[in-house]
Amino acid sequence: DGGITQSPKYLFRKEGQNVTLSCEQNLNHDAMYWYRQDPGQGLRLIYYSQIVNDFQKGDIAEGYSVSREKKESFPLTVTSAQKNPTAFYLCASNTRTSLGGGQFFGPGTRLTVL
Amino acid sequence: AQSVTQLDSHVSVSEGTPVLLRCNYSSSYSPSLFWYVQHPNKGLQLLLKYTSAATLVKGINGFEAEFKKSETSFHLTKPSAHMSDAAEYFCVVSEGGGYNKLIFGAGTRLAVHP
Repeated sequence: DGGITQSPKYLFRKEGQNVTLSCEQNLNHDAMYWYRQDPGQGLRLIYYSQIVNDFQKGDIAEGYSVSREKKESFPLTVTSAQKNPTAFYLCASNTRTSLGGGQFFGPGTRLTVL
Repeated sequence: AQSVTQLDSHVSVSEGTPVLLRCNYSSSYSPSLFWYVQHPNKGLQLLLKYTSAATLVKGINGFEAEFKKSETSFHLTKPSAHMSDAAEYFCVVSEGGGYNKLIFGAGTRLAVHP
Protein backbone atom coordinates (compact mmCIF):
# COMPACT_ATOMS: atom_id res chain seq x y z
CA ASP A 1 0.00 0.00 0.00
CA GLY A 2 1.23 3.46 -0.84
CA GLY A 3 1.57 6.03 1.88
CA ILE A 4 3.71 8.14 4.16
CA THR A 5 5.43 6.75 7.23
CA GLN A 6 6.86 8.78 10.08
CA SER A 7 9.01 7.49 12.88
CA PRO A 8 9.15 7.39 15.75
CA LYS A 9 5.56 8.00 16.84
CA TYR A 10 6.70 9.46 20.16
CA LEU A 11 10.07 11.06 20.84
CA PHE A 12 11.53 12.47 24.01
CA ARG A 13 14.50 14.79 24.02
CA LYS A 14 16.57 16.44 26.66
CA GLU A 15 17.22 20.14 26.34
CA GLY A 16 20.31 20.84 24.25
CA GLN A 17 20.04 17.71 22.14
CA ASN A 18 19.44 17.53 18.42
CA VAL A 19 16.89 14.96 17.23
CA THR A 20 15.97 13.76 13.75
CA LEU A 21 12.44 12.84 12.69
CA SER A 22 12.03 10.42 9.82
CA CYS A 23 9.59 10.78 6.91
CA GLU A 24 9.40 8.27 4.07
CA GLN A 25 6.91 8.07 1.21
CA ASN A 26 6.36 5.45 -1.49
CA LEU A 27 3.84 7.47 -3.48
CA ASN A 28 6.44 8.66 -6.00
CA HIS A 29 5.59 12.24 -5.04
CA ASP A 30 7.95 15.02 -6.02
CA ALA A 31 7.20 17.45 -3.21
CA MET A 32 7.47 16.89 0.52
CA TYR A 33 6.63 19.15 3.46
CA TRP A 34 7.14 19.43 7.21
CA TYR A 35 4.56 21.07 9.45
CA ARG A 36 4.40 21.80 13.13
CA GLN A 37 1.12 21.63 15.06
CA ASP A 38 0.56 23.17 18.49
CA PRO A 39 -2.61 22.74 20.59
CA GLY A 40 -5.50 24.86 19.37
CA GLN A 41 -3.63 25.98 16.29
CA GLY A 42 -3.56 25.04 12.66
CA LEU A 43 -0.48 23.66 10.98
CA ARG A 44 2.51 25.87 10.31
CA LEU A 45 4.98 25.13 7.52
CA ILE A 46 8.60 24.51 8.56
CA TYR A 47 10.33 23.43 5.33
CA TYR A 48 9.37 22.09 1.95
CA SER A 49 11.13 20.42 -0.95
CA GLN A 50 9.92 20.23 -4.52
CA ILE A 51 12.74 18.10 -5.92
CA VAL A 52 15.70 16.07 -4.71
CA ASN A 53 18.63 18.09 -3.38
CA ASP A 54 16.56 21.24 -3.11
CA PHE A 55 14.46 22.66 -0.27
CA GLN A 56 13.08 26.00 0.92
CA LYS A 57 12.27 27.54 4.27
CA GLY A 58 8.67 27.80 5.30
CA ASP A 59 7.15 30.17 7.81
CA ILE A 60 8.92 28.89 10.94
CA ALA A 61 12.25 27.39 9.81
CA GLU A 62 14.44 28.78 12.61
CA GLY A 63 15.94 26.00 14.72
CA TYR A 64 15.19 23.29 12.16
CA SER A 65 17.14 21.72 9.29
CA VAL A 66 16.27 19.25 6.53
CA SER A 67 17.85 17.26 3.74
CA ARG A 68 16.44 15.71 0.57
CA GLU A 69 19.01 13.25 -0.74
CA LYS A 70 16.40 10.80 -2.03
CA LYS A 71 12.98 11.36 -3.51
CA GLU A 72 11.39 9.05 -0.93
CA SER A 73 12.92 10.61 2.17
CA PHE A 74 12.75 14.03 3.85
CA PRO A 75 14.16 13.90 7.40
CA LEU A 76 13.74 16.84 9.77
CA THR A 77 16.32 17.69 12.43
CA VAL A 78 15.17 19.70 15.42
CA THR A 79 18.26 21.45 16.70
CA SER A 80 19.06 22.81 20.14
CA ALA A 81 18.50 26.28 18.68
CA GLN A 82 14.75 25.63 18.53
CA LYS A 83 13.49 27.32 21.69
CA ASN A 84 10.18 25.55 22.06
CA PRO A 85 10.32 22.25 20.19
CA THR A 86 7.59 20.36 22.04
CA ALA A 87 4.88 19.85 19.40
CA PHE A 88 3.27 17.42 16.98
CA TYR A 89 5.19 17.20 13.69
CA LEU A 90 3.51 16.19 10.46
CA CYS A 91 5.09 15.28 7.15
CA ALA A 92 3.17 15.58 3.87
CA SER A 93 3.73 15.06 0.17
CA ASN A 94 2.17 15.63 -3.22
CA THR A 95 3.06 15.69 -6.87
CA ARG A 96 4.71 18.97 -7.82
CA THR A 97 2.33 19.56 -10.67
CA SER A 98 -0.90 18.74 -8.81
CA LEU A 99 -2.26 22.25 -8.80
CA GLY A 100 -4.90 22.52 -6.11
CA GLY A 101 -4.65 18.85 -5.39
CA GLY A 102 -3.98 19.00 -1.69
CA GLN A 103 -1.38 17.02 0.21
CA PHE A 104 -1.17 13.56 1.73
CA PHE A 105 -0.17 13.46 5.38
CA GLY A 106 1.75 11.00 7.50
CA PRO A 107 0.59 9.90 10.98
CA GLY A 108 2.85 12.37 12.80
CA THR A 109 5.56 12.35 15.47
CA ARG A 110 4.95 13.82 18.90
CA LEU A 111 8.12 15.39 20.26
CA THR A 112 8.43 16.21 23.93
CA VAL A 113 11.38 18.04 25.44
CA LEU A 114 12.08 17.01 29.02
CA ALA B 1 -2.41 37.52 1.26
CA GLN B 2 -4.57 34.48 1.68
CA SER B 3 -6.10 33.52 5.01
CA VAL B 4 -8.68 31.19 6.49
CA THR B 5 -11.00 31.81 9.44
CA GLN B 6 -12.86 29.00 11.10
CA LEU B 7 -15.67 30.71 12.94
CA ASP B 8 -16.12 28.16 15.74
CA SER B 9 -13.32 26.60 17.77
CA HIS B 10 -15.72 24.00 19.24
CA VAL B 11 -18.99 22.56 17.98
CA SER B 12 -21.10 20.06 19.91
CA VAL B 13 -23.96 18.07 18.38
CA SER B 14 -26.06 15.05 19.27
CA GLU B 15 -25.72 11.86 17.28
CA GLY B 16 -28.12 11.86 14.34
CA THR B 17 -28.41 15.66 14.12
CA PRO B 18 -26.92 17.86 11.37
CA VAL B 19 -23.36 19.16 11.47
CA LEU B 20 -22.30 22.63 10.31
CA LEU B 21 -18.68 23.76 10.52
CA ARG B 22 -18.13 27.28 9.24
CA CYS B 23 -15.19 28.58 7.24
CA ASN B 24 -14.51 31.94 5.60
CA TYR B 25 -11.51 32.59 3.41
CA SER B 26 -9.66 35.51 1.94
CA SER B 27 -7.88 35.08 -1.38
CA SER B 28 -6.54 37.26 -4.16
CA TYR B 29 -6.79 34.40 -6.61
CA SER B 30 -9.38 31.88 -7.59
CA PRO B 31 -8.70 29.58 -4.67
CA SER B 32 -8.55 25.88 -4.15
CA LEU B 33 -10.20 24.96 -0.85
CA PHE B 34 -10.05 21.83 1.26
CA TRP B 35 -11.43 20.32 4.41
CA TYR B 36 -9.22 17.92 6.36
CA VAL B 37 -10.11 15.83 9.40
CA GLN B 38 -7.74 14.83 12.19
CA HIS B 39 -8.52 12.22 14.82
CA PRO B 40 -6.53 12.39 18.09
CA ASN B 41 -2.81 11.84 17.64
CA LYS B 42 -3.27 11.03 13.97
CA GLY B 43 -2.31 12.63 10.69
CA LEU B 44 -4.71 14.62 8.55
CA GLN B 45 -7.11 12.99 6.11
CA LEU B 46 -8.56 14.83 3.14
CA LEU B 47 -12.36 15.02 3.36
CA LEU B 48 -13.06 16.99 0.20
CA LYS B 49 -11.68 19.69 -2.10
CA TYR B 50 -12.96 22.50 -4.29
CA THR B 51 -10.95 23.35 -7.40
CA SER B 52 -13.23 25.64 -9.48
CA ALA B 53 -15.54 22.94 -10.77
CA ALA B 54 -18.94 22.33 -9.14
CA THR B 55 -19.63 24.65 -6.22
CA LEU B 56 -21.21 21.87 -4.16
CA VAL B 57 -18.51 19.38 -3.33
CA LYS B 58 -19.18 15.92 -1.95
CA GLY B 59 -16.57 14.20 0.15
CA ILE B 60 -16.04 11.06 2.12
CA ASN B 61 -18.17 9.83 5.04
CA GLY B 62 -21.25 11.80 3.95
CA PHE B 63 -19.69 15.26 4.26
CA GLU B 64 -20.17 18.01 1.72
CA ALA B 65 -19.25 21.67 1.38
CA GLU B 66 -20.55 24.55 -0.70
CA PHE B 67 -18.28 27.18 -2.21
CA LYS B 68 -19.96 30.62 -2.11
CA LYS B 69 -17.78 33.22 -3.77
CA SER B 70 -20.08 36.12 -2.89
CA GLU B 71 -19.83 35.23 0.80
CA THR B 72 -16.21 33.97 0.64
CA SER B 73 -17.37 30.92 2.54
CA PHE B 74 -16.78 27.18 2.34
CA HIS B 75 -18.88 25.66 5.12
CA LEU B 76 -18.77 21.92 5.83
CA THR B 77 -22.02 20.03 6.47
CA LYS B 78 -23.29 16.56 7.16
CA PRO B 79 -26.97 15.66 7.47
CA SER B 80 -26.60 13.25 10.38
CA ALA B 81 -23.68 13.10 12.80
CA HIS B 82 -22.12 9.82 13.84
CA MET B 83 -20.07 9.21 16.94
CA SER B 84 -17.06 8.45 14.76
CA ASP B 85 -17.22 12.00 13.35
CA ALA B 86 -15.82 13.40 16.60
CA ALA B 87 -12.47 14.91 15.59
CA GLU B 88 -10.70 18.16 14.67
CA TYR B 89 -11.57 19.67 11.30
CA PHE B 90 -9.37 22.07 9.35
CA CYS B 91 -10.40 24.38 6.54
CA VAL B 92 -7.50 25.00 4.17
CA VAL B 93 -6.85 27.30 1.20
CA SER B 94 -4.19 26.72 -1.41
CA GLU B 95 -2.16 29.46 -2.97
CA GLY B 96 -1.94 27.35 -6.09
CA GLY B 97 0.92 27.44 -8.52
CA GLY B 98 3.55 24.78 -8.84
CA TYR B 99 4.35 24.79 -5.15
CA ASN B 100 0.80 24.48 -3.80
CA LYS B 101 1.37 26.09 -0.39
CA LEU B 102 -1.47 25.40 2.02
CA ILE B 103 -2.83 27.93 4.52
CA PHE B 104 -4.59 26.28 7.48
CA GLY B 105 -7.38 27.54 9.66
CA ALA B 106 -7.05 27.13 13.42
CA GLY B 107 -9.39 24.14 13.45
CA THR B 108 -12.84 23.28 14.82
CA ARG B 109 -13.19 20.52 17.35
CA LEU B 110 -16.40 18.57 16.80
CA ALA B 111 -17.91 16.68 19.73
CA VAL B 112 -20.73 14.21 19.13
CA HIS B 113 -22.92 13.19 22.06
CA PRO B 114 -25.13 10.09 22.30
